[in-house]
Amino acid sequence: QQPVQSPQAVILREGEDAVINCSSSKALYSVHWYRQKHGEAPVFLMILLKGGEQKGHDKISASFNEKKQQSSLYLTASQLSYSGTYFCGTGYSTLTFGKGTMLLVSP
Amino acid sequence: NAGVTQTPKFQVLKTGQSMTLQCAQDMNHEYMSWYRQDPGMGLRLIHYSVGAGITDQGEVPNGYNVSRSTTEDFPLRLLSAAPSQTSVYFCASSPTGAPYNSPLHFGNGTRLTVT
Repeated sequence: QQPVQSPQAVILREGEDAVINCSSSKALYSVHWYRQKHGEAPVFLMILLKGGEQKGHDKISASFNEKKQQSSLYLTASQLSYSGTYFCGTGYSTLTFGKGTMLLVSP
Repeated sequence: NAGVTQTPKFQVLKTGQSMTLQCAQDMNHEYMSWYRQDPGMGLRLIHYSVGAGITDQGEVPNGYNVSRSTTEDFPLRLLSAAPSQTSVYFCASSPTGAPYNSPLHFGNGTRLTVT
Protein backbone atom coordinates (compact mmCIF):
# COMPACT_ATOMS: atom_id res chain seq x y z
CA GLN A 1 0.00 0.00 0.00
CA GLN A 2 1.27 3.42 -0.99
CA PRO A 3 2.61 5.59 1.86
CA VAL A 4 1.00 9.01 2.24
CA GLN A 5 3.15 12.13 2.04
CA SER A 6 2.35 15.61 3.30
CA PRO A 7 2.37 18.36 2.34
CA GLN A 8 1.95 17.96 -1.41
CA ALA A 9 4.00 21.09 -2.07
CA VAL A 10 6.13 23.59 -0.15
CA ILE A 11 7.50 26.96 -1.22
CA LEU A 12 10.37 28.36 0.82
CA ARG A 13 12.82 31.22 0.73
CA GLU A 14 16.48 30.33 0.96
CA GLY A 15 17.49 29.75 4.57
CA GLU A 16 14.02 28.68 5.78
CA ASP A 17 13.20 25.25 7.19
CA ALA A 18 10.77 22.60 6.01
CA VAL A 19 9.43 19.28 7.24
CA ILE A 20 8.10 16.57 4.92
CA ASN A 21 6.07 13.75 6.41
CA CYS A 22 5.49 10.16 5.34
CA SER A 23 2.99 7.80 6.96
CA SER A 24 1.99 4.21 6.34
CA SER A 25 -0.93 2.03 7.33
CA LYS A 26 1.41 -0.98 7.53
CA ALA A 27 4.22 -1.82 9.92
CA LEU A 28 7.52 -0.54 8.57
CA TYR A 29 10.91 -2.24 8.35
CA SER A 30 12.47 0.93 7.05
CA VAL A 31 11.77 4.23 5.31
CA HIS A 32 13.74 5.47 2.31
CA TRP A 33 13.96 9.09 1.16
CA TYR A 34 14.84 10.21 -2.38
CA ARG A 35 15.00 13.55 -4.15
CA GLN A 36 14.23 14.01 -7.83
CA LYS A 37 15.03 17.15 -9.81
CA HIS A 38 12.99 17.95 -12.88
CA GLY A 39 13.87 15.71 -15.82
CA GLU A 40 16.31 13.64 -13.79
CA ALA A 41 16.32 10.32 -11.94
CA PRO A 42 15.52 10.03 -8.23
CA VAL A 43 18.63 10.21 -6.06
CA PHE A 44 19.02 8.42 -2.73
CA LEU A 45 19.09 10.60 0.39
CA MET A 46 18.77 8.26 3.34
CA ILE A 47 17.36 5.10 4.87
CA LEU A 48 15.95 4.89 8.38
CA LEU A 49 15.80 1.37 9.78
CA LYS A 50 13.94 -0.21 12.66
CA GLY A 51 16.06 0.03 15.77
CA GLY A 52 17.39 3.48 14.96
CA GLU A 53 20.10 2.87 12.35
CA GLN A 54 20.37 5.47 9.60
CA LYS A 55 22.28 5.42 6.34
CA GLY A 56 22.82 8.31 4.00
CA HIS A 57 23.17 12.03 3.59
CA ASP A 58 25.19 13.87 6.24
CA LYS A 59 23.46 17.22 5.81
CA ILE A 60 19.85 16.03 5.93
CA SER A 61 18.16 14.72 9.03
CA ALA A 62 15.11 12.56 9.47
CA SER A 63 13.16 10.73 12.12
CA PHE A 64 11.38 7.37 12.15
CA ASN A 65 8.59 6.62 14.61
CA GLU A 66 8.11 2.86 14.34
CA LYS A 67 5.02 2.77 16.57
CA LYS A 68 3.22 5.46 14.59
CA GLN A 69 4.54 4.10 11.27
CA GLN A 70 5.68 7.59 10.32
CA SER A 71 8.82 9.32 9.16
CA SER A 72 9.70 12.98 8.79
CA LEU A 73 12.44 14.59 6.69
CA TYR A 74 13.88 17.83 8.08
CA LEU A 75 15.37 20.33 5.66
CA THR A 76 17.02 23.11 7.65
CA ALA A 77 18.55 26.33 6.35
CA SER A 78 17.34 25.38 2.89
CA GLN A 79 19.49 26.06 -0.15
CA LEU A 80 18.45 26.58 -3.76
CA SER A 81 19.84 23.12 -4.54
CA TYR A 82 17.21 21.56 -2.23
CA SER A 83 14.49 22.27 -4.80
CA GLY A 84 12.92 19.16 -6.28
CA THR A 85 10.37 16.48 -5.50
CA TYR A 86 10.92 14.31 -2.44
CA PHE A 87 9.68 10.74 -2.28
CA CYS A 88 9.49 8.36 0.63
CA GLY A 89 9.56 4.63 -0.02
CA THR A 90 8.52 1.76 2.23
CA GLY A 91 8.49 -2.02 2.07
CA TYR A 92 10.71 -5.05 2.51
CA SER A 93 11.14 -7.18 -0.63
CA THR A 94 10.05 -4.25 -2.82
CA LEU A 95 9.75 -0.52 -2.29
CA THR A 96 6.48 1.35 -2.69
CA PHE A 97 6.76 5.11 -3.06
CA GLY A 98 4.51 7.95 -2.01
CA LYS A 99 3.21 10.44 -4.55
CA GLY A 100 5.89 12.95 -3.67
CA THR A 101 6.27 16.40 -2.11
CA MET A 102 7.34 19.21 -4.39
CA LEU A 103 9.76 21.65 -2.75
CA LEU A 104 10.65 24.99 -4.31
CA VAL A 105 13.34 27.14 -2.72
CA SER A 106 13.52 30.68 -4.02
CA PRO A 107 16.29 33.27 -3.51
CA ASN B 1 31.57 2.51 -12.94
CA ALA B 2 28.64 3.39 -15.19
CA GLY B 3 26.05 2.40 -12.56
CA VAL B 4 22.61 1.72 -14.06
CA THR B 5 22.37 2.35 -17.80
CA GLN B 6 19.05 2.61 -19.63
CA THR B 7 18.51 2.77 -23.35
CA PRO B 8 16.96 4.41 -25.27
CA LYS B 9 16.44 7.79 -23.59
CA PHE B 10 13.45 8.65 -25.73
CA GLN B 11 11.11 6.50 -27.82
CA VAL B 12 7.93 7.09 -29.80
CA LEU B 13 5.77 4.10 -30.68
CA LYS B 14 2.56 3.61 -32.53
CA THR B 15 -0.28 1.73 -30.85
CA GLY B 16 0.22 -2.01 -31.23
CA GLN B 17 3.97 -1.91 -31.77
CA SER B 18 6.30 -3.82 -29.48
CA MET B 19 9.65 -2.81 -28.11
CA THR B 20 12.23 -3.57 -25.43
CA LEU B 21 13.60 -1.08 -22.95
CA GLN B 22 17.13 -2.04 -21.95
CA CYS B 23 18.60 -1.83 -18.46
CA ALA B 24 22.12 -2.88 -17.45
CA GLN B 25 24.04 -2.45 -14.21
CA ASP B 26 27.73 -3.04 -13.57
CA MET B 27 27.63 -3.12 -9.76
CA ASN B 28 26.85 -6.85 -9.35
CA HIS B 29 23.55 -5.97 -7.70
CA GLU B 30 21.16 -8.81 -6.90
CA TYR B 31 17.95 -6.79 -7.02
CA MET B 32 16.67 -5.02 -10.14
CA SER B 33 13.32 -3.41 -10.78
CA TRP B 34 11.28 -1.38 -13.23
CA TYR B 35 9.10 1.59 -12.25
CA ARG B 36 6.89 3.84 -14.29
CA GLN B 37 6.36 7.46 -13.33
CA ASP B 38 3.26 9.39 -14.31
CA PRO B 39 2.34 12.94 -13.20
CA GLY B 40 0.84 12.95 -9.73
CA MET B 41 1.18 9.18 -9.32
CA GLY B 42 4.68 8.80 -7.95
CA LEU B 43 6.74 5.76 -8.93
CA ARG B 44 4.83 2.54 -9.48
CA LEU B 45 6.53 -0.84 -9.57
CA ILE B 46 6.05 -2.88 -12.74
CA HIS B 47 8.28 -5.95 -12.27
CA TYR B 48 11.28 -6.87 -10.18
CA SER B 49 13.97 -9.52 -9.88
CA VAL B 50 16.01 -10.77 -6.92
CA GLY B 51 18.58 -12.58 -9.04
CA ALA B 52 19.26 -14.21 -12.39
CA GLY B 53 16.38 -16.42 -13.45
CA ILE B 54 13.96 -15.00 -10.85
CA THR B 55 11.32 -12.38 -11.66
CA ASP B 56 8.06 -11.31 -10.08
CA GLN B 57 5.22 -8.89 -10.69
CA GLY B 58 4.85 -5.51 -9.06
CA GLU B 59 1.85 -3.24 -8.75
CA VAL B 60 1.22 -2.56 -12.48
CA PRO B 61 2.54 -5.54 -14.50
CA ASN B 62 -0.13 -5.81 -17.21
CA GLY B 63 1.20 -5.29 -20.73
CA TYR B 64 4.82 -5.80 -19.74
CA ASN B 65 7.19 -8.77 -19.66
CA VAL B 66 10.64 -9.11 -18.13
CA SER B 67 13.43 -11.66 -18.00
CA ARG B 68 16.70 -11.86 -16.08
CA SER B 69 19.10 -14.20 -17.83
CA THR B 70 22.19 -12.51 -16.35
CA THR B 71 22.91 -10.55 -13.18
CA GLU B 72 23.69 -7.44 -15.22
CA ASP B 73 20.69 -7.13 -17.56
CA PHE B 74 16.97 -6.69 -16.92
CA PRO B 75 15.07 -5.77 -20.11
CA LEU B 76 11.44 -4.65 -20.07
CA ARG B 77 9.30 -5.70 -23.03
CA LEU B 78 6.14 -3.95 -24.14
CA LEU B 79 4.14 -6.57 -25.98
CA SER B 80 1.59 -4.37 -27.78
CA ALA B 81 1.99 -0.71 -26.91
CA ALA B 82 -1.06 1.29 -25.81
CA PRO B 83 -1.41 5.07 -25.21
CA SER B 84 -1.88 4.29 -21.48
CA GLN B 85 1.75 3.12 -21.45
CA THR B 86 2.98 6.62 -22.26
CA SER B 87 5.21 7.33 -19.27
CA VAL B 88 8.74 7.72 -17.99
CA TYR B 89 10.29 4.38 -17.13
CA PHE B 90 13.03 3.96 -14.55
CA CYS B 91 15.18 0.94 -13.89
CA ALA B 92 16.61 0.67 -10.38
CA SER B 93 18.96 -1.78 -8.68
CA SER B 94 20.02 -2.56 -5.13
CA PRO B 95 22.94 -4.60 -3.76
CA THR B 96 20.88 -7.10 -1.79
CA GLY B 97 17.91 -9.25 -2.66
CA ALA B 98 15.62 -7.24 -0.40
CA PRO B 99 15.96 -3.49 -0.91
CA TYR B 100 14.55 -2.45 2.47
CA ASN B 101 18.02 -1.83 3.91
CA SER B 102 20.02 -0.69 0.87
CA PRO B 103 19.70 2.31 -1.45
CA LEU B 104 18.05 1.98 -4.84
CA HIS B 105 20.30 3.16 -7.67
CA PHE B 106 18.23 4.58 -10.52
CA GLY B 107 19.01 4.77 -14.22
CA ASN B 108 18.40 8.03 -16.08
CA GLY B 109 15.05 6.93 -17.41
CA THR B 110 13.37 6.26 -20.75
CA ARG B 111 10.66 8.66 -21.87
CA LEU B 112 8.12 6.68 -23.92
CA THR B 113 5.30 8.14 -25.95
CA VAL B 114 2.67 5.89 -27.56
CA THR B 115 0.52 7.53 -30.24
